[in-house]
Order: sequence, then C-alpha cells, then structure tokens
Amino acid sequence: AQTVTQSQPEMSVQEAETVTLSCTYDTSESDYYLFWYKQPPSRQMILVIRQEAYKQQNATENRFSVNFQKAAKSFSLKISDSQLGDAAMYFCAYRDDTTSGTYKYIFGTGTRLKVLA
Amino acid sequence: NAGVTQTPKFQVLKTGQSMTLQCAQDMNHEYMSWYRQDPGMGLRLIHYSVGAGITDQGEVPNGYNVSRSTTEDFPLRLLSAAPSQTSVYFCASSSRQGDNYGYTFGSGTRLTVV
Repeated sequence: AQTVTQSQPEMSVQEAETVTLSCTYDTSESDYYLFWYKQPPSRQMILVIRQEAYKQQNATENRFSVNFQKAAKSFSLKISDSQLGDAAMYFCAYRDDTTSGTYKYIFGTGTRLKVLA
Repeated sequence: NAGVTQTPKFQVLKTGQSMTLQCAQDMNHEYMSWYRQDPGMGLRLIHYSVGAGITDQGEVPNGYNVSRSTTEDFPLRLLSAAPSQTSVYFCASSSRQGDNYGYTFGSGTRLTVV
C-alpha cells in the first residue's frame, strides 16, 4: 500500500528566509501525481503545487518549488522569501492514476510551519 | 463560482444521535470523497464516489454511510454518533479526466460528539 511520510511535525523560518519541508512516499507505481496543500488557520485546504511523476523537471509556482527525486521517492517543498502569510499546516499528498480511475489520494500527517517576524 | 459547499460548518452532537453532513459541488466533478482530519494523523479517507450511483469505502468507513444520487451531491451520514467521531470533516471533489490539479476542498465541518 502507498504511504506518505512527513517527518517534521513543526518547522520555523524567519521572515524573508527559505525553508524546506520534507516528504517521502512509498509506491510501486510508475505513474502518479504528488501535491502540496496548505491549510491556514481558516481551515481551508489550498493547492500549492503539483508534480507529475513522469516529468523530470521540478515544478515551480512563484516562491514555491519542489525537489522531486523519483528514485529516492522524495518530494520536498521549498518556500523562498517566506512571508507571514505562509504560516500554515502543509500536507504532502500522493495520487496514483490507476486504470480503474479511483484516483485515491494518500495524505501525510502534515508539517506546521511558523514564520517569525 | 461556489466550488465545493459543505454544511454545517460546526456541529455538536450527543452520543447516539444521527446526522448528515452535506456536500455539494457545481463543477460537474465525477469524483467526490469525504475525509476526516485528526491531529497528528493527517487526512484519512472515509468514503468516495467515482460517479452518480457508485460509492466505495475508504480507509475509515465504519460508522458512516454515503450515497450519490446525483453528480452534485455527496452527503455523509453518521448513523449513531460516538465521541471517536469528533473530528474535522472535509468533502473534496475532482474531475477524473484531464484535470490534474488535485482536489477542490470544501471549507470543512468541525464536529464534536459529547
């Protein structure tokens, strides 16, 4: 069964600095998608960035980028120029694209990011 | 655009009571699912549906029922509430075809069972 592991329950970063959140996963599939979701205190889940497993190029979205290492099954999120609004819980998620089309998502346990002014 | 609408946002139940959490989406998404979020455990899948009339169990289905009579609606029923069901519940939807942008989530329901 697929699993997603976030080994950092909590991280802190100084405003304007860079922080990296770790995520590892386990799967025997070759085609899948990986996501990072942000959950601010409002509780709303917000998609931050996604990565297709068949793409070697790391995804980027403005200040957010990933380091995707397929062989190592690692998918870390880098936040550059951290802002106070980045403070949130961050969840890593895996989705396998099976032919059955069930599209099950597996979530990690989350990393709480604190941004220090 | 409403996206995914969950009601209610907060609910307190007594042990043994039943209730239905409502979820509706207006994006014509085929795939809908219910998750519960507990501290230190991330989001765990309760039930999901790949289309109207089709539902299946997720990781933690016990104590919950679902139905999918229309594409838009996917209600979650608690049959006899227990304190262990105190949690935050999220409904989420996505398109099965061509949409690789992940889930669209509702705003969540915080349920407390006393």
